[in-house]
Amino acid sequence: DVVMTQSPLSLPVTLGQPASISCRSSQSLVYSDGNTYLNWFQQRPGQSPRRLIYKVSNRDSGVPDRFSGSGSGTDFTLKISRVEAEDVGVYYCMQGTHPFTFGPGTKVDIK
Amino acid sequence: EVQLVETGGGLIQPGGSLRLSCAASGFTVSSNYMSWVRQAPGKGLEWVSVIYSGGSTYYADSVKGRFTISRDNSKNTLYLQMNSLRAEDTAVYYCAREMGYWGQGTLVTVSS
Repeated sequence: DVVMTQSPLSLPVTLGQPASISCRSSQSLVYSDGNTYLNWFQQRPGQSPRRLIYKVSNRDSGVPDRFSGSGSGTDFTLKISRVEAEDVGVYYCMQGTHPFTFGPGTKVDIK
Repeated sequence: EVQLVETGGGLIQPGGSLRLSCAASGFTVSSNYMSWVRQAPGKGLEWVSVIYSGGSTYYADSVKGRFTISRDNSKNTLYLQMNSLRAEDTAVYYCAREMGYWGQGTLVTVSS
């Protein structure tokens, strides 16, 4: 089974400053079709999860461009260029290759 | 507009059965892969099951042999039949369309 790890698990951030979350998988997420199925989700308090990024670096419709995803193989990163108050919540990476596994989540809050 | 509405949650005794429904609108369930994802109180997200457009199904090891995912094309609805329920199955259960659209979730509590 594919194991997903994230770091840090808790991330206090200053408004307007950048933030970065790392995600690693226990095996390559490159699928036989050549795509890498690594997604990022945001879950605000009391809400359903919302996908931000699919296939490593593609932003979903309506997602602010301050969110970006990068990486390859087994190492991936979600970056927020300038944190806003509405970004508070838990962020999960998820692999969709073997078939699905979520990371443990990274709690983002304001310092 | 895509909408997913989960129903069927509630309080059930250990060993009991429950069927969750996810009514979809704005798209065709059978043309997409559909998943169930759960979240235990205060915990992270856990993928439970998926059904692909071709009908293939997969399950997390934690529910394999106890849960069954299915769909009714005529009702455009996704289901999760949950048998032999355990306390550790207590969670909010979400359905999702290709992980890009999620419902509001339905709470399942397994307790005596």
